[in-house]
Amino acid sequence: AQSVTQLDSHVSVSEGTPVLLRCNYSSSYSPSLFWYVQHPNKGLQLLLKYTSAATLVKGINGFEAEFKKSETSFHLTKPSAHMSDAAEYFCVVSDPSGGSYIPTFGRGTSLIVHP
Amino acid sequence: EAGVAQSPRYKIIEKRQSVAFWCNPISGHATLYWYQQILGQGPKLLIQFQNNGVVDDSQLPKDRFSAERLKGVDSTLKIQPAKLEDSAVYLCASSLAGLAGGSNEQYFGPGTRLTVT
Repeated sequence: AQSVTQLDSHVSVSEGTPVLLRCNYSSSYSPSLFWYVQHPNKGLQLLLKYTSAATLVKGINGFEAEFKKSETSFHLTKPSAHMSDAAEYFCVVSDPSGGSYIPTFGRGTSLIVHP
Repeated sequence: EAGVAQSPRYKIIEKRQSVAFWCNPISGHATLYWYQQILGQGPKLLIQFQNNGVVDDSQLPKDRFSAERLKGVDSTLKIQPAKLEDSAVYLCASSLAGLAGGSNEQYFGPGTRLTVT
């Protein structure tokens, strides 16, 4: 069965400093991996996705993630945090282990950005 | 393009009452998902439809929860009877289907915040 682990429940950074949100997954297949963002009182929105093409994936708002099969990781990074990046971030794994692609969400990482 | 629509946005009920949520996915999206998101946790998939067939409902508490997607478009999720622990946000999402179904982005509705007292 697939699973996903977000290693940090909260990450706190200063504006202008780099962001690293960690995600590890478990899958017996070649999974699809996603990062979604949820701003307060707003709906979930896709940041980026990996689907077995390039291992370095670029998303919206300057975010990117690198798929590392050997480490079973898909960490999300951004070179310079902005106040508007403060939100909840979810890593999602999806593989056809049950015959169909079923998505599994991580518990989420809350990104706090200090001025 | 219109997004995923959900109603109601908020609902307060007493325990043991019943409640129903409605979702209208993006036009042309064959896959529809219902999630339960408890405060401070990630969304938990309750049920996934492909057109009007159930793909996965392994985490749906079938003794009290039911869902249907008649005609493969709109969907309703029902809870009967509700318990205190059902207080959560219920999210509906939709995506394109097909062979690349796993790599398709999910589009989420605004959610329904349910409070059970």
